Amino acid sequence: NAGVTQTPKFRVLKTGQSMTLLCAQDMNHEYMYWYRQDPGMGLRLIHYSVGEGTTAKGEVPDGYNVSRLKKQNFLLGLESAAPSQTSVYFCASSNLRARLHTEAFFGQGTRLTVV
Amino acid sequence: DQQVKQNSPSLSVQEGRISILNCDYTNSMFDYFLWYKKYPAEGPTFLISISSIKDKNEDGRFTVFLNKSAKHLSLHIVPSQPGDSAVYFCAASADGSARQLTFGSGTQLTVLP
Repeated sequence: NAGVTQTPKFRVLKTGQSMTLLCAQDMNHEYMYWYRQDPGMGLRLIHYSVGEGTTAKGEVPDGYNVSRLKKQNFLLGLESAAPSQTSVYFCASSNLRARLHTEAFFGQGTRLTVV
Repeated sequence: DQQVKQNSPSLSVQEGRISILNCDYTNSMFDYFLWYKKYPAEGPTFLISISSIKDKNEDGRFTVFLNKSAKHLSLHIVPSQPGDSAVYFCAASADGSARQLTFGSGTQLTVLP
């Protein structure tokens, strides 16, 4: 059981380049999330999705776009990368239909450096 | 303005002793709290949670205490083991779910053999 898988694990981008981070989960979870982790700031929510075809903004959505075309996949796009987007990105998913008080399951992270 | 604060960036404890990690929050709407553990180069993994209707939740060596009046929660690890060395994140939710978690900045726990 793979859980939540992120691709790629590492990436270096030049300022202005674009890229897409892929997140896949095999737990049939409805909710999926993208977080970024920066030193001294914990994890901050970028965007999330409550189901296939739906997305919503989180705490720090600027400079990012997302898509959820399939239930198991959640894509995070950077159209024009900036050095301020250097961070570690985590995808997560959770199941909310079955019960309350559930936890989110995280992927292993993508370390992105923008130079 | 951080709504969830972990004021100790690091904590060192001797193996076998108790580790106490603290977390404070400011939003009185938070009603569900979680602790995650994170090893280097891995994603956070869920450890233990507590809802606002309780003041204590225990799972093996891990116990979380919630003091709603003080807006404070703590994670106790007894006895501490070297494998517990990791970054611990406190997270809070206002709707009883994992939908919009607000995380603290984390505490690096080091358990010394």
